[in-house]
Amino acid sequence: GENVEQHPSTLSVQEGDSAVIKCTYSDSASNYFPWYKQELGKRPQLIIDIRSNVGEKKDQRIAVTLNKTAKHFSLHITETQPEDSAVYFCAASQPGTYKYIFGTGTRLKVLA
Amino acid sequence: NAGVTQTPKFRVLKTGQSMTLLCAQDMNHEYMYWYRQDPGMGLRLIHYSVGEGTTAKGEVPDGYNVSRLKKQNFLLGLESAAPSQTSVYFCASRRGQVEDGYTFGSGTRLTVV
Repeated sequence: GENVEQHPSTLSVQEGDSAVIKCTYSDSASNYFPWYKQELGKRPQLIIDIRSNVGEKKDQRIAVTLNKTAKHFSLHITETQPEDSAVYFCAASQPGTYKYIFGTGTRLKVLA
Repeated sequence: NAGVTQTPKFRVLKTGQSMTLLCAQDMNHEYMYWYRQDPGMGLRLIHYSVGEGTTAKGEVPDGYNVSRLKKQNFLLGLESAAPSQTSVYFCASRRGQVEDGYTFGSGTRLTVV
């Protein structure tokens, strides 16, 4: 089955700097890749996603890139702010499987 | 519209006790899921359902059972709780298309002593 690896497990950046979180997946059939943000004590919430027929997607300060050949995708956060501090999860989904397989999460700390 | 509601929010069990976690959604979603979240291990899928009356095993199904007798409810049962089942449990639901995204419940923190 699908396996998703996520790096780094923790990431500290200065406020205003950029942050990049990377995920790799094992099954080339995976075609949908969402990213979730989980603030402390809260539920995960979808922040951005990308389908396999798209190489990059942006939404204000966040962007996701996908490299199908290398089977990896990345989350980019620019001009980080303290409210970006959270745990971020990537996930992958294959056609017809109905479910997401999540990475192990990255704890992002934005230092003021 | 309450979204996805999980009950209870917290529970402490003794080893060997049983309990049921309830997940209810009012969005008429077809698909429902139970995940557990442990430090350093992310969200791991326990069981899921693709419609009323259906269930399927996920990545870590051992020690758990589920039922989906009504479309809006997805129950997760622990027949004989073990300390290894100490975790935060999240229920999620989504509509028919994979890109609809999950809506998560607020979680249940379970401690087995």
